[in-house]
Amino acid sequence: GAGVSQSPSNKVTEKGKDVELRCDPISGHTALYWYRQRLGQGLEFLIYFQGNSAPDKSGLPSDRFSAERTGESVSTLTIQRTQQEDSAVYLCASSPQAAQGQPQHFGDGTRLSIL
Amino acid sequence: GESVGLHLPTLSVQEGDNSIINCAYSNSASDYFIWYKQESGKGPQFIIDIRSNMDKRQGQRVTVLLNKTVKHLSLQIAATQPGDSAVYFCAENRGGGFKTIFGAGTRLFVKA
Repeated sequence: GAGVSQSPSNKVTEKGKDVELRCDPISGHTALYWYRQRLGQGLEFLIYFQGNSAPDKSGLPSDRFSAERTGESVSTLTIQRTQQEDSAVYLCASSPQAAQGQPQHFGDGTRLSIL
Repeated sequence: GESVGLHLPTLSVQEGDNSIINCAYSNSASDYFIWYKQESGKGPQFIIDIRSNMDKRQGQRVTVLLNKTVKHLSLQIAATQPGDSAVYFCAENRGGGFKTIFGAGTRLFVKA
């Protein structure tokens, strides 16, 4: 597609529910990144994929967070048993490959609100 | 701890003036730096980047300066326009390139 697409754009759910956030990267981009952005703050790295594998999961906050990617395309970020502190904007980015000198192209994020 | 931070959280400039947004980084091993612009409700947008073997790079109306001696990075915007109003983030990559560390951001207000 023309850019990185994320869905849903907004998600409101009750504490304790599971949520799935979706990212469609730019076609042909092999690298995909997930970030979390709390209100008024910078971006917190969560995980990245090179192809369908995730060499670095060190940014995932807890075992309630997981992510997968299939077909070197769509990725889903799943948060189980959501907590109020999970409320944030979740941003996805892609780049042609996971290498330096390759700016990341971001989607507009999913705004997650946990009641 | 290691971090990329900003000297000024907000900056207000008159339309037509030049803007300078500053950033400090703490890891001397960082070798690639990027500036992003984020408008309200949108994802960050790449503006310009610079590698550690350079001290200046120019784009369209923007210039990035890198001072490795004092670990300082700045973004200069010439003839600032209302459309430049946004939050600006500096970010760094530390060899290998996959993990980008973002600073907290500076909000730029452009007064008409």
